[in-house]
Amino acid sequence: QKEVEQDPGPLSVPEGAIVSLNCTYSNSAFQYFMWYRQYSRKGPELLMYTYSSGNKEDGRFTAQVDKSSKYISLFIRDSQPSDSATYLCAMWGNRLAFGKGNQVVVIP
Amino acid sequence: DAGVIQSPRHEVTEMGQEVTLRCKPISGHDYLFWYRQTMMRGLELLIYFNNNVPIDDSGMPEDRFSAKMPNASFSTLKIQPSEPRDSAVYFCASSQSTSGRTYFGPGTRLTVT
Repeated sequence: QKEVEQDPGPLSVPEGAIVSLNCTYSNSAFQYFMWYRQYSRKGPELLMYTYSSGNKEDGRFTAQVDKSSKYISLFIRDSQPSDSATYLCAMWGNRLAFGKGNQVVVIP
Repeated sequence: DAGVIQSPRHEVTEMGQEVTLRCKPISGHDYLFWYRQTMMRGLELLIYFNNNVPIDDSGMPEDRFSAKMPNASFSTLKIQPSEPRDSAVYFCASSQSTSGRTYFGPGTRLTVT
């Protein structure tokens, strides 16, 4: 079993829809949980960061962590075409472990 | 802060040549990571350093790859000799162990012909 599982399937949604992404993990040592956004031909950009179970909001973005289920989610409300990118979950124990990433396309 | 700095941004070289990629991490960060990204394999961790010491190089594909971190503000990834299958985008990233927040550089796009 991989440390971090993220179903890498692409996701196309109409503008204004809610985007829901998720990852599961197996390593209980992970302490910090992150979501990265990567635009085409750019480096991954730290989008959301949290270290405890529960929800964290930042504008249209909500990161959710459930440590008991080893499950994290990212929600994007009122999605915009500018949100079209690849989203990667990442978790820190003593190094950063990444999911495979989801390519999200928001259609105007 | 300028963020993680990588050079060169693009590198085109011929098979068999030596390639050196450079990275300057964010000041104060004690972890440095080298990643490789391809369409087929996604983001792969090659090696990481803690306080300039290599901790895990199990991701380095083979002996043609080597990495050094002579001080807290500089690291290199060297490929000698390069092969076409090494063509990828190589990212350097740095973080503080106290938070795990990891920041990536813009990457070096390597093409080996």
